[in-house]
Amino acid sequence: EVRLVESGGGLIQPGGSLRLSCAISGFSVSSSFMNWVRQAPGKGLEWVSVVYEGGNTYYADSVKGRFTISRDDSDNTLHLRMNNVRTDDTATYYCARGVDGSPFDSWGQGTLVTVSS
Amino acid sequence: SYELTQTPSVSVSPGQTARITCSGDGLTKSYASWFQQKPGLAPMVVIYKDIERPSGVPERFSGSTSGTAVTLTIVGVQAEDEADYYCQSTDNDSFIFGPGTRLIVL
Repeated sequence: EVRLVESGGGLIQPGGSLRLSCAISGFSVSSSFMNWVRQAPGKGLEWVSVVYEGGNTYYADSVKGRFTISRDDSDNTLHLRMNNVRTDDTATYYCARGVDGSPFDSWGQGTLVTVSS
Repeated sequence: SYELTQTPSVSVSPGQTARITCSGDGLTKSYASWFQQKPGLAPMVVIYKDIERPSGVPERFSGSTSGTAVTLTIVGVQAEDEADYYCQSTDNDSFIFGPGTRLIVL
């Protein structure tokens, strides 16, 4: 069974840093492309970043230069390093698996990040 | 990158057919997916590659495409289908979501 479990969210001050993790079971993190998607309170979905099987990474313009996606093949985990966070980064962050033809095939339950002073 | 547009809300009575449309110039070049999201829960894919339905998704859900628009159709809407629905497509190396449509079951 495919399972994605996010962790690492919490309250953080503007300008601070945070690392989110997504523990994966049921498949290998290196065998699929993996995404982070966020949703601000009461708002729609926003794609944040992707890491492909070969290691290429891409980011939304809103987070480019501040966020870094990575994966740890040894413990089958996806990460999102968030630096220099802003109040508009406040959102629930979901990790999602991509497979051929279905970029967001399976989702975790999400972890809430609140950026506030 | 391009934008996807969706009608903010659609209201139907139980048993009727709901059609939710998503428009965007890039839909002629890339596949679309549809996601259902109920309050407090993560999104769930209901249609991918424009018309494909994942296993476990009821047959009343179907997708279609025409030019720069894709449509999610729910035939015989049930109360449990009340949710937000998002379309999604791809633009080069980024992914785009539509703003969402709230399906209200009267």
